[in-house]
Amino acid sequence: QSALTQPRSVSGSPGQSVTISCTGTSSDVGGYNYVSWYQQHPGKAPKLMIYDVSKRPSGVPDRFSGSKSGNTASLTISGLQAEDEADYYCCSYAGSYVFGTGTKVTVL
Amino acid sequence: QVQLQESGPGLVKPSETLSLTCAVSGYSISSGYYWGWIRQPPGKGLEWIGSIYHSGSTYYNPSLKSRVTISVDTSKNQFSLKLSSVTAADTAVYYCASHYGYPDWFDPWGQGTLVTVSS
Repeated sequence: QSALTQPRSVSGSPGQSVTISCTGTSSDVGGYNYVSWYQQHPGKAPKLMIYDVSKRPSGVPDRFSGSKSGNTASLTISGLQAEDEADYYCCSYAGSYVFGTGTKVTVL
Repeated sequence: QVQLQESGPGLVKPSETLSLTCAVSGYSISSGYYWGWIRQPPGKGLEWIGSIYHSGSTYYNPSLKSRVTISVDTSKNQFSLKLSSVTAADTAVYYCASHYGYPDWFDPWGQGTLVTVSS
């Protein structure tokens, strides 16, 4: 199983929107609605931000949203804030679990 | 509120077996949920190692299956990871995490523990 493909980095100014893509195949992202997204600050454990493609856990700001089209899932951060600067990983079920390559979000 | 805490040796010699334990608090493992292990080599991405149901059913990453054993000890409310025949490529931060179902999402996570494979 290959890791899901994410852009290495994305950036935006405070208040702007950024979108992170997560590209897989019909055997993972495209085949199941079990896509989740995790935020990881340096030296910290990952934190769940989105589950089941587009659902947001309690406590996660509504500026975080998820979607999926075909074999590509996306995480959008609207109204970017300084504390959103972190690494983000997608994860999909594929008979087992496969994570994305990770994206560093930089707030300019 | 479920909390998880990893523990184990921070240094393992090549060819030996890596052993880690995840202590669970705030929830009884025997009540349900799945309990998993995920690792992250320094500066790299996340890799799912495997998960176990409270009943003992196990699910492993096919790429690691031949070397991995995950077990649960309900009397101590903890679960464990054993990874055999380790090499430098197994050097990573190892996280334990819970998930309600299989498949499902991972939440919460432990703080992680760094294991270095070196002689």
